[in-house]
Amino acid sequence: DGGITQSPKYLFRKEGQNVTLSCEQNLNHDAMYWYRQDPGQGLRLIYYSQIVNDFQKGDIAEGYSVSREKKESFPLTVTSAQKNPTAFYLCASSISVGGFGNQPQHFGDGTRLSIL
Amino acid sequence: AQSVAQPEDQVNVAEGNPLTVKCTYSVSGNPYLFWYVQYPNRGLQFLLKYITGDNLVKGSYGFEAEFNKSQTSFHLKKPSALVSDSALYFCAVRDIGTGGFKTIFGAGTRLFVKA
Repeated sequence: DGGITQSPKYLFRKEGQNVTLSCEQNLNHDAMYWYRQDPGQGLRLIYYSQIVNDFQKGDIAEGYSVSREKKESFPLTVTSAQKNPTAFYLCASSISVGGFGNQPQHFGDGTRLSIL
Repeated sequence: AQSVAQPEDQVNVAEGNPLTVKCTYSVSGNPYLFWYVQYPNRGLQFLLKYITGDNLVKGSYGFEAEFNKSQTSFHLKKPSALVSDSALYFCAVRDIGTGGFKTIFGAGTRLFVKA
């Protein structure tokens, strides 16, 4: 079955540590996204990528970094510069390119990051 | 700037009764509107979308939504609620200004269906 796999499901970060969240999709989608979900705030966009080797900052990119070396993969690194990283992180993908803005996003089941 | 609002943090309804989850939006052009549902510790699942055409859109699990351009609303409805419908519901609008890649989500409405 096609879908999006996020790992790990739970992750703990120590002070001063960078951690990387994995996101893999086998839907052959060009566009991929990372969101942060906090209670009562909905989803906020961290980074998105329309195509391999290209990505753009979203609304809350500070303290985060991404790479898009393969179509299937869009890992997110939460750096030590992100002072409040405790949240639920969701990865999504969608068909890309212009007029396909009418297509929905497909989501993984998230990674819950906590501070030790 | 495009935005979407869900005015109710929580909606309570008895099983078998009709339910409505409200959503209003603000866009500069024609909107692409979506509803998603989220169960605990899971990702969002797509329910339905409005792109163009009929104002009443039917989606998954018996849900439907009514697009009202004059009121800039896109309320989610179901004629008869089930306990299993209890979840967090998100309305979203696609920002066409970024080529359709950026989706703006509402804060979410938690639906409780009591048996």
